[in-house]
Amino acid sequence: SQQGEEDPQALSIQEGENATMNCSYKTSINNLQWYRQNSGRGLVHLILIRSNEREKHSGRLRVTLDTSKKSSSLLITASRAADTASYFCATSQAGTALIFGKGTTLSVSS
Amino acid sequence: DAGVIQSPRHEVTEMGQEVTLRCKPISGHDYLFWYRQTMMRGLELLIYFNNNVPIDDSGMPEDRFSAKMPNASFSTLKIQPSEPRDSAVYFCASSRPAGELFFGEGSRLTVL
Repeated sequence: SQQGEEDPQALSIQEGENATMNCSYKTSINNLQWYRQNSGRGLVHLILIRSNEREKHSGRLRVTLDTSKKSSSLLITASRAADTASYFCATSQAGTALIFGKGTTLSVSS
Repeated sequence: DAGVIQSPRHEVTEMGQEVTLRCKPISGHDYLFWYRQTMMRGLELLIYFNNNVPIDDSGMPEDRFSAKMPNASFSTLKIQPSEPRDSAVYFCASSRPAGELFFGEGSRLTVL
């Protein structure tokens, strides 16, 4: 069963614009992670945010976590065509494996 | 390190045949996961191992599916007999405790 649900399911933007993807989950978590998947490839880890953190940055990525609303957002600034991919949030509870959402498909056109 | 290695990358088989998917995790990773990805159901956790011991196999669809990890460097996922609804991309991933997952490139299975 899915724990995290991403929104929107699909997003199309122009190069240089910012892309924001949201993730909602249902139960308490230890941490929340974001992954990226290029077409036909495996998932690649982007960033991990722990339940006691509110915001984290990595390069052009910014992740926020609101445990009171059980939601997270991933912001990609100044997007590039190479950012075209599917993005997944994944959550884990204590002693459990990561459960993934269905993902947001991002298309960045030049 | 070479990363997580899966084989075969593509498998086409006929209904009723046995399918064996293989995975070599990253050396030193204690955890190994098998996931299945389809358009309809997304990425589903099938089973995961800690130090070669299966911890949670509640995601294994039915008795036709079995997974083993005979040592720290090798795992198999077997489907016998295979059915068309088993068609999917099967991913293996490994990690350290509470760490990020490293995924293989997946095995795309088509059952005719």
